[in-house]
Amino acid sequence: GENVEQHPSTLSVQEGDSAVIKCTYSDSASNYFPWYKQELGKRPQLIIDIRSNVGEKKDQRIAVTLNKTAKHFSLHITETQPEDSAVYFCAGSRGDGTASKLTFGTGTRLQVTL
Amino acid sequence: NAGVTQTPKFQVLKTGQSMTLQCAQDMNHNSMYWYRQDPGMGLRLIYYSASEGTTDKGEVPNGYNVSRLNKREFSLRLESAAPSQTSVYFCASSANRGSYGYTFGSGTRLTVV
Repeated sequence: GENVEQHPSTLSVQEGDSAVIKCTYSDSASNYFPWYKQELGKRPQLIIDIRSNVGEKKDQRIAVTLNKTAKHFSLHITETQPEDSAVYFCAGSRGDGTASKLTFGTGTRLQVTL
Repeated sequence: NAGVTQTPKFQVLKTGQSMTLQCAQDMNHNSMYWYRQDPGMGLRLIYYSASEGTTDKGEVPNGYNVSRLNKREFSLRLESAAPSQTSVYFCASSANRGSYGYTFGSGTRLTVV
């Protein structure tokens, strides 16, 4: 089955700096890669996703890049703000039209300091 | 517009007791999932249901059973709870085609003593 590895496990940045979280996946048939943000005590919420026919996707301060050849994808947050502090999870799936089972990475705790 | 509703939010069980976690979605999604979240281990899939009437095992199914009661509801049952099942449980749903993003419920924090 799919295996998704995520690094780093913790990341501390100063407000206004950029943050980058990286994930690798093992299943070459995976073609859907979402990112979730989970604030303390809350449910994970989808913040951005990318499909394998796209190399990069942006949404305001958030961007995701995908390298299918190397089987890795990354989340980039620019101009970080204190409200970006949370745990971020990457995930991957085949998205084959039946239940698109997501395999999650182990999470990155991002802390944005003032 | 409730999305995905899970009950209960908190539960303490004694070893060997049984309980059922309830999940319902009102988004007309076909697929539903149960994950457990443990510190440092991310979210691991317990069981999923691609559509009404079907269920399949995920990565960590031992000690659990599920029922897809109808399109809206997907329950998770612990027949004989063990301390290793202490975790936060999340139900999620997704549409099969055109969109694969999950909508999660608010979670159930379960402690087995």
